[in-house]
Amino acid sequence: DADVTQTPRNRITKTGKRIMLECSQTKGHDRMYWYRQDPGLGLRLIYYSFDVKDINKGEISDGYSVSRQAQAKFSLSLESAIPNQTALYFCATRGGSGDTQYFGPGTRLTVL
Amino acid sequence: AQSVAQPEDQVNVAEGNPLTVKCTYSVSGNPYLFWYVQYPNRGLQFLLKYITGDNLVKGSYGFEAEFNKSQTSFHLKKPSALVSDSALYFCAVRDLFNKLTFGTGTQLKVEL
Repeated sequence: DADVTQTPRNRITKTGKRIMLECSQTKGHDRMYWYRQDPGLGLRLIYYSFDVKDINKGEISDGYSVSRQAQAKFSLSLESAIPNQTALYFCATRGGSGDTQYFGPGTRLTVL
Repeated sequence: AQSVAQPEDQVNVAEGNPLTVKCTYSVSGNPYLFWYVQYPNRGLQFLLKYITGDNLVKGSYGFEAEFNKSQTSFHLKKPSALVSDSALYFCAVRDLFNKLTFGTGTQLKVEL
């Protein structure tokens, strides 16, 4: 969905490196989410944010941190990347009164 | 804790035939249920949702889903499959805190 953008789209990095994945949205939504997708496991929630001052851990937050720089921007960081963080990462947004989450195109991250 | 099961990793169907992708769920309280589709190298696209009301929900691209409370199911259906429907389909359930729990996904393959 063009309203939710993610950068970079693909990234290869090495073990121990710090990396940041960025998400921006023009939908005007206050809620933003980070998920990772692994084959056979579906999508799992890493972190979510209901507004700039509200950050919450999801089910698999260990090894990750986030920053909500503005309502429209939500970044995911891997402080010291490890190979089992190789996955497809998705950002999603949701309006406060809405039920549906809208997803970005994803970032494919490979940690060597 | 809520959960979603998609019992089939892959579903194969001939073009023009009806298709069904199965989903069962477990949740406390009233279920909020969603179907998303993921095309290769793309993000997840919202297809349809059940919040309340009619048990047959119509969505995008000719898809529909039938909510069955007694069987705790929310199967995705289409009367006549197209080759272009080939994709990865995810069922999801929303909890009281508006977080989505996804199934592991079902790969739909529509063949000529």
